[in-house]
Amino acid sequence: SAVISQKPSRDICQRGTSLTIQCQVDSQVTMMFWYRQQPGQSLTLIATANQGSEATYESGFVIDKFPISRPNLTFSTLTVSNMSPEDSSIYLCSVTELQETQYFGPGTRLLVL
Amino acid sequence: GEDVEQSLFLSVREGDSSVINCTYTDSSSTYLYWYKQEPGAGLQLLTYIFSNMDMKQDQRLTVLLNKKDKHLSLRIADTQTGDSAIYFCAENSNSGYALNFGKGTSLLVTP
Repeated sequence: SAVISQKPSRDICQRGTSLTIQCQVDSQVTMMFWYRQQPGQSLTLIATANQGSEATYESGFVIDKFPISRPNLTFSTLTVSNMSPEDSSIYLCSVTELQETQYFGPGTRLLVL
Repeated sequence: GEDVEQSLFLSVREGDSSVINCTYTDSSSTYLYWYKQEPGAGLQLLTYIFSNMDMKQDQRLTVLLNKKDKHLSLRIADTQTGDSAIYFCAENSNSGYALNFGKGTSLLVTP
């Protein structure tokens, strides 16, 4: 299975600032996704990171708030912009190799004060 | 979106079997998944089942799928304290790749 790393693993940020989270995979993968897991909640899909084109966002998530890049088949970034305490969550990237298997990174734990 | 429902808590004694249940509503799901999340960790893919199967066994794990009732279960045999975690049921959405998750079942294994 693909090995996925995320940076940073955790951060504490001030409201109004922005944080960029990196996701690195050890092999080329077809699809990359970004999810959010709010405290005590399940995972919610933010967007699909498309290589070489704009990300596809789910309802309730917009590019201005969560800009995403995917410059190649092994790397993606998610930026959480103009943060507020409500953005405190775990942010996870995931990848698919074959359609039936989807693997997750270790997550980035974000606390916004 | 489509719903995936799970019970929130389950407590079992060490050595007993655990059964975690899940129901879903999207009849077009192709694959259904079980993930494990330990405290402070990411999600670990435990197992998955193709929608045209009704059972899959992998060591201590048995997945049962009743497609007619849209019911999925995960049975853990000989449950150990290291199995204490949150277990998420998920199905692939209509878009084909992105996953739709349940809220997770917290499994507590007591000695």
